Amino acid sequence: ETGVTQTPRHLVMGMTNKKSLKCEQHLGHNAMYWYKQSAKKPLELMFVYNFKEQTENNSVPSRFSPECPNSSHLFLHLHTLQPEDSALYLCASSQVSAGELFFGEGSRLTVL
Amino acid sequence: EDKVVQSPLSLVVHEGDTVTLNCSYEVTNFRSLLWYKQEKKAPTFLFMLTSSGIEKKSGRLSSILDKKELFSILNITATQTGDSAIYLCAVTGTASKLTFGTGTRLQVTL
Repeated sequence: ETGVTQTPRHLVMGMTNKKSLKCEQHLGHNAMYWYKQSAKKPLELMFVYNFKEQTENNSVPSRFSPECPNSSHLFLHLHTLQPEDSALYLCASSQVSAGELFFGEGSRLTVL
Repeated sequence: EDKVVQSPLSLVVHEGDTVTLNCSYEVTNFRSLLWYKQEKKAPTFLFMLTSSGIEKKSGRLSSILDKKELFSILNITATQTGDSAIYLCAVTGTASKLTFGTGTRLQVTL
């Protein structure tokens, strides 16, 4: 248990569906992140939130929409995804300006 | 653009062997290098290195950083099947964001 909880753990969706991934951290951190992990590729940073403000959008397509209502919760809203978006989506948290990230277990997304 | 290259991409060893995993990097205004272990889903933190030549050690795992040559190694001695995992190397630079390598997949067999 890393203190970062992600739901759902597995998600299968069609290309026309709308779904959301949820992340919650219980570590008192003030930065939260979404990463995408595809087979044989490095972890790709998608979004960074510091103190609820988005500080990084790593050229992510608009079909991925993040939301950070407070420093403990982070969402990733998904709509009209493509099959190539199938991947493991990892949420992480940290103290701002600290190097160490604490990761959640990930949400395995399959787009049909 | 920050870059991390890990080698080998995959490795199969027998229990009891010693392995060395490599990580080289290019980063603007280096701040730290981190090693993570990913067994099934969540990468778990192993080490953070900021200074050259100082070995970090935890049980059978150890790591060292060379900031002049821009690389780090992760050593695992007396490997066990529980060491089977993907080992990820990441660096932070000016933007304080982590840039990851593709990882080294280690399999330890009986």
